[in-house]
Amino acid sequence: NAGVTQTPKFRILKIGQSMTLQCTQDMNHNYMYWYRQDPGMGLKLIYYSVGAGITDKGEVPNGYNVSRSTTEDFPLRLELAAPSQTSVYFCASSLRDKEKLFFGSGTQLSVL
Amino acid sequence: QKEVEQNSGPLSVPEGAIASLNCTYSDRGSQSFFWYRQYSGKSPELIMSIYSNGDKEDGRFTAQLNKASQYVSLLIRDSQPSDSATYLCAVFYSSASKIIFGSGTRLSIRP
Repeated sequence: NAGVTQTPKFRILKIGQSMTLQCTQDMNHNYMYWYRQDPGMGLKLIYYSVGAGITDKGEVPNGYNVSRSTTEDFPLRLELAAPSQTSVYFCASSLRDKEKLFFGSGTQLSVL
Repeated sequence: QKEVEQNSGPLSVPEGAIASLNCTYSDRGSQSFFWYRQYSGKSPELIMSIYSNGDKEDGRFTAQLNKASQYVSLLIRDSQPSDSATYLCAVFYSSASKIIFGSGTRLSIRP
């Protein structure tokens, strides 16, 4: 049972570089989310999607972009990385909007 | 006002006692509420979900919801050292179909 798979697990970026965090789920979930978690803090919603082709901004979308071309995949794109984007990124999915979230194992990103 | 507020702690509770964690939210239309537990360096995992006013019990855990006061709490009875973790309150905002988390409460169970 793969569930929600995130890659990579760790990444170091230089200021101004770009990268894509990958997220794939094999549970046929409609809802997918990207959160970031700064040290000692809760989860902040970056972007979310209620189905293929539909995305919307969360609490902290600036500096990020997403796409949802398939039900399974929900990649998060960082353009022009900044030190403020140093964080742990979690991808999550749920079958329906009010149900429990299934989380990936997270991506630790450092921007230096 | 933050959408979901929690006391960041740390909350220190002796082993065997009751730990009480609190959360308030701003959207009166919210209908779904969740408590997640997160161990250091790990992903959050769901402990309890609650959708209607009152209490919901599951083993040593009880979730309490008061929609009039926009307040949800989690009680952990017979606290164990393994309960030491950060507890995240999450609220489903039906107006925007999104789940918002609080900043989490760090709980420490002392032997």
